[in-house]
Amino acid sequence: EAQVTQNPRYLITVTGKKLTVTCSQNMNHEYMSWYRQDPGLGLRQIYYSMNVEVTDKGDVPEGYKVSRKEKRNFPLILESPSPNQTSLYFCASSFSTSTGGGETQYFGPGTRLLVL
Amino acid sequence: SQQGEEDPQALSIQEGENATMNCSYKTSINNLQWYRQNSGRGLVHLILIRSNEREKHSGRLRVTLDTSKKSSSLLITASRAADTASYFCATDESNTGGFKTIFGAGTRLFVKA
Repeated sequence: EAQVTQNPRYLITVTGKKLTVTCSQNMNHEYMSWYRQDPGLGLRQIYYSMNVEVTDKGDVPEGYKVSRKEKRNFPLILESPSPNQTSLYFCASSFSTSTGGGETQYFGPGTRLLVL
Repeated sequence: SQQGEEDPQALSIQEGENATMNCSYKTSINNLQWYRQNSGRGLVHLILIRSNEREKHSGRLRVTLDTSKKSSSLLITASRAADTASYFCATDESNTGGFKTIFGAGTRLFVKA
């Protein structure tokens, strides 16, 4: 089954304790992305990756890191989480077009993070 | 930057009525997409319209795109209670060597049975 998986689904942590949220897709997609969703703000892109070893900042990258060592995986790293990073996080993936535009993005189920 | 902005923020209608949601954006785009989200779950793709298309249909969904006005609309005809959800438009914003994806804040649709 074609899917995007995220782990963990729920996470409670404390300020400053490093954490990683994993994301994996089995559709051979080039494009992968992380978003955070906060009430009233829609989804905001944190980082995206056009392909292996190619990553770039979205609109809200501060406090986050990513890596893309393999095509299927795109982990999100919070080196020193703070309470303002409490949010609902989504990973997504899609094919890229030859013209550089986006195609249909497939979303993971989300990770609810609470930073105390 | 928040490129896509939906209007209205919330919409409440009776089952059987049509629902129209609008999206505006700021920069030139390759594609515009509409997504649906049920209460904190992952987003589900509804329809993609390319910059050289003006209208697209999928079942009860009709999407229009006006690149001169930088706007799009999503029409859901003969709405059902199961259509109750949040709807988001998303555009791509080209960067050197790639593109960002910009989502709007969404329209919350409530369909009363």
